[in-house]
Amino acid sequence: DSGVTQTPKHLITATGQRVTLRCSPRSGDLSVYWYQQSLDQGLQFLIQYYNGEERAKGNILERFSAQQFPDLHSELNLSSLELGDSALYFCASSATLPGKLNTEAFFGQGTRLTVV
Amino acid sequence: GQQLNQSPQSMFIQEGEDVSMNCTSSSIFNTWLWYKQDPGEGPVLLIALYKAGELTSNGRLTAQFGITRKDSFLNISASIPSDVGIYFCAGQGRTGNQFYFGTGTSLTVIP
Repeated sequence: DSGVTQTPKHLITATGQRVTLRCSPRSGDLSVYWYQQSLDQGLQFLIQYYNGEERAKGNILERFSAQQFPDLHSELNLSSLELGDSALYFCASSATLPGKLNTEAFFGQGTRLTVV
Repeated sequence: GQQLNQSPQSMFIQEGEDVSMNCTSSSIFNTWLWYKQDPGEGPVLLIALYKAGELTSNGRLTAQFGITRKDSFLNISASIPSDVGIYFCAGQGRTGNQFYFGTGTSLTVIP
């Protein structure tokens, strides 16, 4: 158990809908990362938050947004869903402080999103 | 974004054989991580490396942080069926922000 909790584990929704994925980081970790993994693909970085603030942005679509709350949990919002958004969405957390070394990222079990 | 080249893309080996895979980057990293992912599961951290030249072991796994800081390799000795999965490398730069992932090496162990 990595200590990172993601809910829900599975989600099936129709095209055009909006969903929210939730992530609770490991206790004490201030950084949260979101990744998308399509079938048989690698991990595509979406966005990183550190202590409630956006830190880095990857290839995240404008239809997607995220936030990190004061209790450090994070939510990834996906709207106007398309078939191609079907994927595994992973959250990871780390104790990374910007500019500080020697940290590791731990992943949750992921949310499998299926858009039909 | 940052590109990590991981090779080989896939490997098919006999049980008991040793495995070697590597990861290269066009930029310098301060941290190299190696993960294993089983189908439908989240990546699990295997080894973390923090210093150039560092060699670290975790059971049958050994990883090294390249001296140039632009590469890392992972060795698995005496492979067993439960080693099957996809192995990812990941690097983090000096800003301490996002982790960049390699494209993965799919390992199949034939009993």
